[in-house]
Amino acid sequence: QKEVEQDPGPLSVPEGAIVSLNCTYSNSAFQYFMWYRQYSRKGPELLMYTYSSGNKEDGRFTAQVDKSSKYISLFIRDSQPSDSATYLCAMTTLTGANSKLTFGKGITLSVRP
Amino acid sequence: DVKVTQSSRYLVKRTGEKVFLECVQDMDHENMFWYRQDPGLGLRLIYFSYDVKMKEKGDIPEGYSVSREKKERFSLILESASTNQTSMYLCASSPGLGKVIYGYTFGSGTRLTVV
Repeated sequence: QKEVEQDPGPLSVPEGAIVSLNCTYSNSAFQYFMWYRQYSRKGPELLMYTYSSGNKEDGRFTAQVDKSSKYISLFIRDSQPSDSATYLCAMTTLTGANSKLTFGKGITLSVRP
Repeated sequence: DVKVTQSSRYLVKRTGEKVFLECVQDMDHENMFWYRQDPGLGLRLIYFSYDVKMKEKGDIPEGYSVSREKKERFSLILESASTNQTSMYLCASSPGLGKVIYGYTFGSGTRLTVV
């Protein structure tokens, strides 16, 4: 079992839809969770990060973490064509001298006008 | 604005050539990484470096080497390019010890085609 599993997609939704992107993980030591957004022909950019279980909101985006289920989600409200991109989850243990991020494979989202 | 700059956006090389991919960051970051990204496989870590002149193998180091002579520069070297190394290569950097919570800053990538 891979440490981080992400729905493979692709995902296509109409403009204005609520989008739910999900990742599961197996390593209970993961403590810090991030979402990256990657536009076509660009590098990934950090979108949101969260440390504890619960929800964190930033505009139309909400990151949710359920450590008991080892499950994280990114919700996008009122999706826009500009949200069309690949979304990658990432997480780390925060322990060790130089702990690294472990990434999901990413899911490509297309928002249709 | 902090930046990670990769020297080339697109490269076409011949099989057997020695290829150098350059990455420079201006954030005084300790850590630098090289990934390749392929459809269906996601990001795969090739090599990383926690300090100048230090390097560690990632998940797929075969066929690659790296060089970090200065803190701001991390080079990826394909010793003898092969067609299966055709890919998008992404460089990233992050602050040092205990600061992984700040995430990585990625460059825009180099699309390498080996023919």
